[in-house]
Amino acid sequence: DIQMTQSPSSLSASVGDRVTITCRASQSISNYLYWYQQKPGKAPKLLIYAASSLQSGVPSRFSGSGSGTDFTLTISSLQPEDFATYFCQQSYSTPMYTFGQGTKLEIK
Amino acid sequence: QVQLQQWGAGLLKASETLSLTCAVYGGSFSGSYWSWIRQPPGKGLEWLGGINHSGSTNYNPSLKSRVTISVDTSKNQFSLKLSSVTAADTAVYYCAKVAVVGTVYFYYYMDVWGEGTTVTVSS
Repeated sequence: DIQMTQSPSSLSASVGDRVTITCRASQSISNYLYWYQQKPGKAPKLLIYAASSLQSGVPSRFSGSGSGTDFTLTISSLQPEDFATYFCQQSYSTPMYTFGQGTKLEIK
Repeated sequence: QVQLQQWGAGLLKASETLSLTCAVYGGSFSGSYWSWIRQPPGKGLEWLGGINHSGSTNYNPSLKSRVTISVDTSKNQFSLKLSSVTAADTAVYYCAKVAVVGTVYFYYYMDVWGEGTTVTVSS
């Protein structure tokens, strides 16, 4: 199984801050990496696919980078609606998919 | 625009079988791959398995002996059964559509989700 490890598990930040979340794969997954945002009581929403492609309708302050085993999600200037939990997912081992454990982004 | 509506029993006793169904509205049922994902309270997401319109399935090896996913193309529905549940199976269960993008390399992700069903297993 490919394991996905996110860091940090939680993060406190202020509106306007630049924030980076990291996801590491247990083996190389090329760029088969995706980022989701989940708000309490809601299903996850796709933000980034193929490691760095922005899903339609997602604000440009979100960006993704990385390849191989190390990936990052960056929010350039936090907005109040960005406080949520973020998950990474790999599809290198399709049709078996695995997710990271999540990073909870909280207001400082 | 594809929408997913899911339902099923929310309270089970240990050793019973969990049963959930997801109905697909809009879009192409036969042209897509469908998955079940769960999220224990306060924890991350776990992919359980998936199915296409012809009934070809894939399961998470960690649950393979207990999971069955089936499809009813006449109703545009797919279903999940998880046998011999325990308290560890308490979670929010989501159905989801798997999107595919790409021409040479193909990228698979969940682009449409159901609203989630909270399943609690009591001992």
